[in-house]
Amino acid sequence: DIQMTQSPSTLSASVGDRVTITCRANQSISSWLAWYQQKPGEAPKLLIYKASSLESGVPSRFSGSGSGTEFTLTISCLQPDDFATYYCQQYNTFQGLTFGGGTKVEIK
Amino acid sequence: QLQLQESGPGLVKPSETLSLTCTVSGGSISSNSYYWGWIRQPPGKGLEWIGNIYYSGSTYYTPSLKSRVTISVDTSKNQFSLKLTSVTAADTAIYYCARELTGDDGGYFNYWGPGTLVTVSS
Repeated sequence: DIQMTQSPSTLSASVGDRVTITCRANQSISSWLAWYQQKPGEAPKLLIYKASSLESGVPSRFSGSGSGTEFTLTISCLQPDDFATYYCQQYNTFQGLTFGGGTKVEIK
Repeated sequence: QLQLQESGPGLVKPSETLSLTCTVSGGSISSNSYYWGWIRQPPGKGLEWIGNIYYSGSTYYTPSLKSRVTISVDTSKNQFSLKLTSVTAADTAIYYCARELTGDDGGYFNYWGPGTLVTVSS
């Protein structure tokens, strides 16, 4: 199994801050990584795929980077709508997709 | 606009079988560009991929649930279904259905249903 570890698990930030979330895989997954945003009571929403490709309609303040085993999601200027939980997901093999444990971005 | 909607009992007794259906509207489940998947989320916890199915019927399951899971597809109804046998309280979760892209760049989910809470309790 490919294990995904996100850090931090909780992040306190203010509107306007630059925020970075890290996701690490226990083996190389090339660039096969997606990022999702989930708000309470809602389904996850795709933000980034293939590590750095922005999904259509997602604001450009969201960006992703990394390859191999270490990846980051950056929100360049945090907006009120961005307070949510973020998950990474590897798809190095479609026979075993796995998610990270999540990072909750809360208001400081 | 593609929409997915989960349906099924919200309460299942321990040792029984959990059965859910996902109805797809606004697009065909028979497209060769997508898999159709199930993901669950225990209350207050993270996401767990359960498995997926192609319109032809080929399936993949997460190893930890493989012995208890069956995913099937009904292309005539534009639906796919999940069965999970011998459930316990640990199977209590919000169950999501989702569309997964196939192909060389595929493997992520770009459309999700709203989710349905299934509680396992006597």
